[in-house]
Amino acid sequence: EAQVTQNPRYLITVTGKKLTVTCSQNMNHEYMSWYRQDPGLGLRQIYYSMNVEVTDKGDVPEGYKVSRKEKRNFPLILESPSPNQTSLYFCASRLRQGIGNTEAFFGQGTRLTVV
Amino acid sequence: GNSVTQMEGPVTLSEEAFLTINCTYTATGYPSLFWYVQYPGEGLQLLLKATKADDKGSNKGFEATYRKETTSFHLEKGSVQVSDSAVYFCALSEKVTGNQFYFGTGTSLTVIP
Repeated sequence: EAQVTQNPRYLITVTGKKLTVTCSQNMNHEYMSWYRQDPGLGLRQIYYSMNVEVTDKGDVPEGYKVSRKEKRNFPLILESPSPNQTSLYFCASRLRQGIGNTEAFFGQGTRLTVV
Repeated sequence: GNSVTQMEGPVTLSEEAFLTINCTYTATGYPSLFWYVQYPGEGLQLLLKATKADDKGSNKGFEATYRKETTSFHLEKGSVQVSDSAVYFCALSEKVTGNQFYFGTGTSLTVIP
């Protein structure tokens, strides 16, 4: 079954404690991205990756890092989380960059609370 | 730049009522347009899409027509069911660069029996 898998689904952490949210896709997609969803703001892109070792900033990259060492995995790293990063996070993958009419497949989301 | 403006919610309808969720867009190029649906506790799923002007996307009784002249992509369904209760997102993606989706803020729909 084609899917994007995120872990964990729920996470409560304290300010400043580094964390990683994992994302893995089994569709051999080249393009992967991270979004955060906040009430009244919809989804905003944090980072994206067009292929292995190729990453770039989205609209709201501050406070986040990513890496793409393998095609299937695209972890999101918060080096020093702060309360304003409390949000619902989604990982998405897409067949390849530049094909704007292809759909994106989304993970089930990670609800992060930073206290 | 690119942006999507979506009808504010929440929307509450009785079962079998007609649904319209308005969506208008601004784009620098020639975008593809999408509706995604998010059921409670789940990620976003593609509902339908249209890739050029006058295209009609349809799925599960939902329809939306790509109107270039009015820069709109309104979602409609003739008879909603309780199972349609979800949050609906309108989105666009540039065909050429396609680096990201631009999402509307989402419209929450609740259908009551």
